[in-house]
Amino acid sequence: DAGITQSPRHKVTETGTPVTLRCHQTENHRYMYWYRQDPGHGLRLIHYSYGVKDTDKGEVSDGYSVSRSKTEDFLLTLESATSSQTSVYFCAISDPSHSTDTQYFGPGTRLTVL
Amino acid sequence: AQSVTQPDIHITVSEGASLELRCNYSYGATPYLFWYVQSPGQGLQLLLKYFSGDTLVQGIKGFEAEFKRSQSSFNLRKPSVHWSDAAEYFCAVGCTSYGKLTFGQGTILTVHP
Repeated sequence: DAGITQSPRHKVTETGTPVTLRCHQTENHRYMYWYRQDPGHGLRLIHYSYGVKDTDKGEVSDGYSVSRSKTEDFLLTLESATSSQTSVYFCAISDPSHSTDTQYFGPGTRLTVL
Repeated sequence: AQSVTQPDIHITVSEGASLELRCNYSYGATPYLFWYVQSPGQGLQLLLKYFSGDTLVQGIKGFEAEFKRSQSSFNLRKPSVHWSDAAEYFCAVGCTSYGKLTFGQGTILTVHP
């Protein structure tokens, strides 16, 4: 299994509070991604990173920001959490120099916003 | 924009029966195609992938998939299902720009003994 960890694994928070989820990898992969998973929608891309300090928006980026100051860490921040952001969040990594476009996923973080 | 459709939300099969999960995609160029499996409470595990070449690809756990360009399909098959195959299955198409994936809605597989 790819060395990807996510923290926390579970979190319950209240509407309006900031929340930061962390993805950590030990594979030295260049690309990192944040997805959210909701019933009936599969996984949808929130943000992605193609290198340190290089990030861009995905399909459902509103209300989320990201940062990547080191190759191994990719942070997802909800500046002011809303109930619509209750979801399961997955981090993924890939590196085209290893295996073109194959993404490997972390175990997920279940976030509940009350 | 690329898209993926998995027409079947839920499929039930008996153990030992054959399985086919459908996937249709829309993409402007030659696609990179993937099947992932997710057991309850777990992350996604790659079953198989198609980049180019042979249109019939073999994966882990006895699964295979066939790429049919004329039908824009990438259906997943297994000749004999085991109870441990019960899970949710996701088809995805990959974009050449930074490897971004677009997923289908998923198909939940239930296996009856």
